[in-house]
Amino acid sequence: KAGVTQTPRYLIKTRGQQVTLSCSPISGHRSVSWYQQTPGQGLQFLFEYFSETQRNKGNFPGRFSGRQFSNSRSEMNVSTLELGDSALYLCASSLEAGGPYEQYFGPGTRLTVT
Amino acid sequence: AQSVTQLDSQVPVFEEAPVELRCNYSSSVSVYLFWYVQYPNQGLQLLLKYLSGSTLVKGINGFEAEFNKSQTSFHLRKPSVHISDTAEYFCAVSDFTGGGNKLTFGTGTQLKVEL
Repeated sequence: KAGVTQTPRYLIKTRGQQVTLSCSPISGHRSVSWYQQTPGQGLQFLFEYFSETQRNKGNFPGRFSGRQFSNSRSEMNVSTLELGDSALYLCASSLEAGGPYEQYFGPGTRLTVT
Repeated sequence: AQSVTQLDSQVPVFEEAPVELRCNYSSSVSVYLFWYVQYPNQGLQLLLKYLSGSTLVKGINGFEAEFNKSQTSFHLRKPSVHISDTAEYFCAVSDFTGGGNKLTFGTGTQLKVEL
């Protein structure tokens, strides 16, 4: 079974631009979570989607948004990029929501904002 | 609110020596505990998890962890490390409230195995 895939793997953007990252969960998994990883703040939860509905949201500004499609694929969008948004964005999928279901992580998208 | 403290940011150890990576958590409700490993330029891989039952949990690659409720700890151990164990290790906690899978992570411990 294929693992979690994230595209693109690397991205360079300029301040003020917007960006969309994509995540395809493991086949059959219906829950997708997003995390931001930075050297300063570590791993922080962004949001989780299940059955096209946002189930949980972390403490991030409204510039960060996401959605999930009927095939469980998910996208996250960051508008008006800031230098501090440079990070590794990780997507994780699990079979269902509500735990304790194991989360499988993708390789991440490395976003650099210049 | 939950929090996770990993007391050591870096742990150097010689190959074939034992290692313990420390993790303490704080939560007002029952929690589930996890250890993940991250190799350079990769995502996170689950090493082991504690959901309930036996407090000694065995995971992949020879790692094990012990859940201690009174000390609110979940330390990771391996009796004999290999060079390939060099990676960053993250402890995480979740109470799965709100019907979600949100994980709260510690700041990570960089394990460096030397010859």
